[in-house]
Amino acid sequence: DIQMTQSPSSVSASVGDRVTISCRASQGLNNWLAWYQHKPGEAPKLLIYATSSLQSGVPSRFSGSGSGTDFTLTISSLQPEDFATYYCQQANSFPRTFGQGTKVEIK
Amino acid sequence: QVQLVESGGGVVQPGRSLRLSCAASGFSISTYDMHWVRQAPGKGLEWVAIIWVDGNNKYYADSVKGRFTISRDTSKNTLYLQMNSLRDEDTAVYYCAKGDRVGAPTGGFDPWGQGTLVTVSS
Repeated sequence: DIQMTQSPSSVSASVGDRVTISCRASQGLNNWLAWYQHKPGEAPKLLIYATSSLQSGVPSRFSGSGSGTDFTLTISSLQPEDFATYYCQQANSFPRTFGQGTKVEIK
Repeated sequence: QVQLVESGGGVVQPGRSLRLSCAASGFSISTYDMHWVRQAPGKGLEWVAIIWVDGNNKYYADSVKGRFTISRDTSKNTLYLQMNSLRDEDTAVYYCAKGDRVGAPTGGFDPWGQGTLVTVSS
């Protein structure tokens, strides 16, 4: 199984800050990497697929980058509605696996 | 509007069974891979199972293999998860999610349902 490791596990930030979340895979993903936003009591929401493709309807302040085993989610200017937990997920092989999550909290 | 609505969760004793349903609207589940994903209390997301577009090929996480069965009824546009021999560690919110369409892979799950809570407890 491919292991996914996110860092940091949590980050405190203010509205307007730039936030970067990292995700490392235990083996190469051929760019099959997705990012999700999850708020308590809500359905997880797909933000980014195939490393850097923005899902329809997702604000452009979200972006993804990376290759091989190292990937990054960037929020260019944090908005109040962005406080949530973010997960990376590999889609290169089965079983699909998720990172442990990064909680973005209000500073 | 593409939507998924799960049902069937509840409290069940260890060793017993439960069947979850996921009603889809706005698209046909026969043209997409469909997944179940769960989240135990205070934990992260864990992928559980997939049923591929052909409806015959399925794959499971090791943690549920041999106990859970994913299936679908295309006439009802509904996905199922039959859970047998339930354990305490199966306690979680269970989500269904739409996966890829043949010929247009993205690797992402979109959308997800709101989830249904399964509590395994004596």
